[in-house]
Amino acid sequence: SQTIHQWPATLVQPVGSPLSLECTVEGTSNPNLYWYRQAAGRGLQLLFYSVGIGQISSEVPQNLSASRPQDRQFILSSKKLLLSDSGFYLCAWSVQGSGAYNEQFFGPGTRLTVL
Amino acid sequence: GNSVTQMEGPVTLSEEAFLTINCTYTATGYPSLFWYVQYPGEGLQLLLKATKADDKGSNKGFEATYRKETTSFHLEKGSVQVSDSAVYFCALSYMDSNYQLIWGAGTKLIIKP
Repeated sequence: SQTIHQWPATLVQPVGSPLSLECTVEGTSNPNLYWYRQAAGRGLQLLFYSVGIGQISSEVPQNLSASRPQDRQFILSSKKLLLSDSGFYLCAWSVQGSGAYNEQFFGPGTRLTVL
Repeated sequence: GNSVTQMEGPVTLSEEAFLTINCTYTATGYPSLFWYVQYPGEGLQLLLKATKADDKGSNKGFEATYRKETTSFHLEKGSVQVSDSAVYFCALSYMDSNYQLIWGAGTKLIIKP
């Protein structure tokens, strides 16, 4: 069966510090991968998605970046965090080529607080 | 463009009450429709889905019917429990969006004992 891991689960960082959040998927190959942010009490904002190694699409311009160094690894980074980067970060995957049946499977999330 | 509109929350109900959370969508053609649930402090889980008109998705006592004539996918449950307290998201997937999920804003459900 497939599983998705995210770490760390919680993180408190000062403004201006770097960020690295990691997501890995097990039990599947060549998945689509996604990073979402959820601000407190708000809906989901798609940040990045990837259809393959080294292929990243950015949905929202910001000081965050994403990388996919391996097939089942997706990393969210920042060189300098802003207060507005605080939120709940969710990684998700879906089956490549599933078309309209694009069910996404979510990780447990990372709670980031920038002080 | 494609969009999903959900009723605003929070929705507060007593245990065993009937639940309806409205969801309407805008899309040409035939999108797939989903309901996801997010329990406090957790990621999202797929609750149910429907991939064509008149399909009924169901899971854990929840149901939603794909109504193309009204472009709706309302979530219903006959008797809610305290454990159903969560945030519910409606979403659609459609080829014009490159099959990315288009999300509603979410509806927070609070069930009181």
